[in-house]
Amino acid sequence: EVQLVESGGGLVKPGGSLRLSCAASGFTFSSYTMNWVRQAPGKGLEWVSSISSSSNYMFYADSVKGRFTISRDDAKNSLYLQMNSLRAEDTAVYYCAKEDSSGMSYWGQGTLVTVSS
Amino acid sequence: AIQMTQSPSSLSASVGDRVTITCRASQGIRNDLGWFQQKPGKAPKLLIYAASTLQSGVPSRFSGSGSGADFTLTISSLQPEDFATYYCLQDSNFPRTFGQGTKVEI
Repeated sequence: EVQLVESGGGLVKPGGSLRLSCAASGFTFSSYTMNWVRQAPGKGLEWVSSISSSSNYMFYADSVKGRFTISRDDAKNSLYLQMNSLRAEDTAVYYCAKEDSSGMSYWGQGTLVTVSS
Repeated sequence: AIQMTQSPSSLSASVGDRVTITCRASQGIRNDLGWFQQKPGKAPKLLIYAASTLQSGVPSRFSGSGSGADFTLTISSLQPEDFATYYCLQDSNFPRTFGQGTKVEI
């Protein structure tokens, strides 16, 4: 059974940093593109970043480019999102999602990031 | 970036109704479109991929159509468990972009 479990969320002050993790199981993690998607309170879904298998490419939304870094550790079956220079508008639930031939077919339960002084 | 315009933003319907939601892309995206259902406090769930292919385990009352720039999600007979918010997502290009969402209410 595919499982994705996010962690690392919490309360951080503006300008601060946070590192999110997504632990994957139930599939060959190294073979798949992985994504981060976020949802601000009461708002819609926003794609944040993608990383291909083998980390050949990474893409970012303009809203986070230069501040967020996506990475993966295939030996640990884990996906990461390093978030620096956080702003109030980064407050959201952050989901990791597995991408396969069907698209974003599996999602974690999400982790809440709150940026506030 | 490709803009996805989803409509309506909300709709009221009753059990048994036929419901249609549309997404329009700002440029052609072939059939690189997915539809998701999200219930409050839960992660999105993939319903349809490649514009018209039903994801495994999704009831057949859900269907998708379209290609190029115009796409439709149809629920043929709305069930109580279908009251939720629905999103389209284009996965043709980066950045990936979602529609604004459609909340289906009683």
